Amino acid sequence: EAGVVQSPRYKIIEKKQPVAFWCNPISGHNTLYWYRQNLGQGPELLIRYENEEAVDDSQLPKDRFSAERLKGVDSTLKIQPAELGDSAVYLCASSLENGGNEQFFGPGTRLTVL
Amino acid sequence: AQSVTQLDSHVSVSEGTPVLLRCNYSSSYSPSLFWYVQHPNKGLQLLLKYTSAATLVKGINGFEAEFKKSETSFHLTKPSAHMSDAAEYFCVVSGPEGSSASKIIFGSGTRLSIRP
Repeated sequence: EAGVVQSPRYKIIEKKQPVAFWCNPISGHNTLYWYRQNLGQGPELLIRYENEEAVDDSQLPKDRFSAERLKGVDSTLKIQPAELGDSAVYLCASSLENGGNEQFFGPGTRLTVL
Repeated sequence: AQSVTQLDSHVSVSEGTPVLLRCNYSSSYSPSLFWYVQHPNKGLQLLLKYTSAATLVKGINGFEAEFKKSETSFHLTKPSAHMSDAAEYFCVVSGPEGSSASKIIFGSGTRLSIRP
């Protein structure tokens, strides 16, 4: 069974440019998470979806970040415009449902903003 | 509200000696607790989880953790360290289980180094 797929794996952009990340969760997993992991820190949840509904986006900087999961399967996370401080690894994870279930993580997208 | 604190940012042990990675949590309800491991350039992998069943939880690769409600702790242990255990370890608290209001919080991580 395929794991969580993310693309691209690496992205280098200049500040003020837009960038998008894509995630395809494990088949059948209705909960999808986007995290940001800064160097030397633990992942920080940005947004959590239950199917196509964003049920927790309290940590998403909504002035520049947006996300969608239109058909309740794959998802995109966008930053526009990017800032220097957005350099981080963006992780996508999925689980069967929220709560006490194991999350399966993708390899992440390493974003560098110059 | 809930939070998680990993008490050591870096732990170094000799190969073959015991490992102890400490984690304290705070939660206003009965939480689910997890330990994840992140090897360099690899994705996060679940080691073990506690979800209100047995307080001593056994995970993969010989790791185990004990849930102590009175101490609000969930420390990770392994009797004998192996070189392949060198990685970053994260303690995670989430809950309440099954609720759309459930929150997920990662600790700041503990880097485990193994000396030959």
